[in-house]
Amino acid sequence: NAGVTQTPKFQVLKTGQSMTLQCAQDMNHNSMYWYRQDPGMGLRLIYYSASEGTTDKGEVPNGYNVSRLNKREFSLRLESAAPSQTSVYFCASSGQMQQPQHFGDGTRLSIL
Amino acid sequence: DAKTTQPNSMESNEEEPVHLPCNHSTISGTDYIHWYRQLPSQGPEYVIHGLTSNVNNRMASLAIAEDRKSSTLILHRATLRDAAVYYCILRDHYGGSQGNLIFGKGTKLSVKP
Repeated sequence: NAGVTQTPKFQVLKTGQSMTLQCAQDMNHNSMYWYRQDPGMGLRLIYYSASEGTTDKGEVPNGYNVSRLNKREFSLRLESAAPSQTSVYFCASSGQMQQPQHFGDGTRLSIL
Repeated sequence: DAKTTQPNSMESNEEEPVHLPCNHSTISGTDYIHWYRQLPSQGPEYVIHGLTSNVNNRMASLAIAEDRKSSTLILHRATLRDAAVYYCILRDHYGGSQGNLIFGKGTKLSVKP
């Protein structure tokens, strides 16, 4: 039972490069989320998808785009990476918006 | 946004109970109190949530004050594996996007053998 799977686990990019972070869940959940966590801080919501076919901005959406590819998959894209986007990125899912969220183990992204 | 206040850090001894406090004086009537924890190098993990009554599950107990302005997460017998950052979060179950989780800095719990 994998739960929420994020790929890759680690990545180093140069400023200006683009990249897509992948997330998949096998729990048949309707809602999915992307967060970032900077050192010593709590998580901040980037984008979320309440259900398949919908996406909405969270607290810190600038510089990111998302795609809800199907019910299982929710990807996060950095079109032109900046050093300020160096962070740990977490994907999560929940049955419905108000239900407990299940998190992946994160992608550690460094941008030089 | 409804906010919570937690101590930055706490220490406990292994196999002793731990009481993690959370103040939320501006809580609204539709806010549920959620607790998550984050073990080192992992994503957060749901622990428990409640509205007014005390709640118990296999991981912990949640004690909610009668006026709902504070709550306490109780770990009945701390183990080394319980060392983590614990987040107390208010979540509106009826507010659509207002039901999104807003993480503060949490309480870092250390457990001594």
